[in-house]
Amino acid sequence: AQKITQTQPGMFVQEKEAVTLDCTYDTSDQSYGLFWYKQPSSGEMIFLIYQGSYDEQNATEGRYSLNFQKARKSANLVISASQLGDSAMYFCAMRGKTGANNLFFGTGTRLTVIP
Amino acid sequence: EAGVVQSPRYKIIEKKQPVAFWCNPISGHNTLYWYLQNLGQGPELLIRYENEEAVDDSQLPKDRFSAERLKGVDSTLKIQPAELGDSAVYLCASSFGIEYNEQFFGPGTRLTVL
Repeated sequence: AQKITQTQPGMFVQEKEAVTLDCTYDTSDQSYGLFWYKQPSSGEMIFLIYQGSYDEQNATEGRYSLNFQKARKSANLVISASQLGDSAMYFCAMRGKTGANNLFFGTGTRLTVIP
Repeated sequence: EAGVVQSPRYKIIEKKQPVAFWCNPISGHNTLYWYLQNLGQGPELLIRYENEEAVDDSQLPKDRFSAERLKGVDSTLKIQPAELGDSAVYLCASSFGIEYNEQFFGPGTRLTVL
């Protein structure tokens, strides 16, 4: 079974600074995928970034990068140059071979960007 | 391109009443998901459809919840009768096949059971 752990219920960051949101995972699958989603107050889950377990390089998408440490089973999200619009809930999720394309989500981290 | 559409956005009902949620996925997406999101939690899968077939409904409380996707396009999730504990956000998502990485989510339906 897959398990995602996000230990930071809330984080604060100054505008224009970088912030790291933590995510650790547990799985017995050899092949899996890790995702980060953003959920603003409007409620919609917005896909940010994906990392495959066999990808050798860390994924990057604009200001988002995923710090993937396979041996530690961690997949931290780094947001550079934070903007006020980044204030939202952030969820780490995993997809494993078990359960096909089903996503297993963590409990989320609420990020607040301070002007 | 239109995203995943859900309706209604908000629903308030009294306990023991029935309720239904509707989802229209992105055109061409054959895989459709219904998730339940309790307050302060991440979404949890209720059911996954591949075209019109429910291929994973292991987390769906079948005594009161039902779902259908008759023509392999839009889908309806029903609760009958609703209980106080069903108050949550119900999210619908779709993807192109099961290997494609990204699931696209709709805005959700926020259900309040009084």
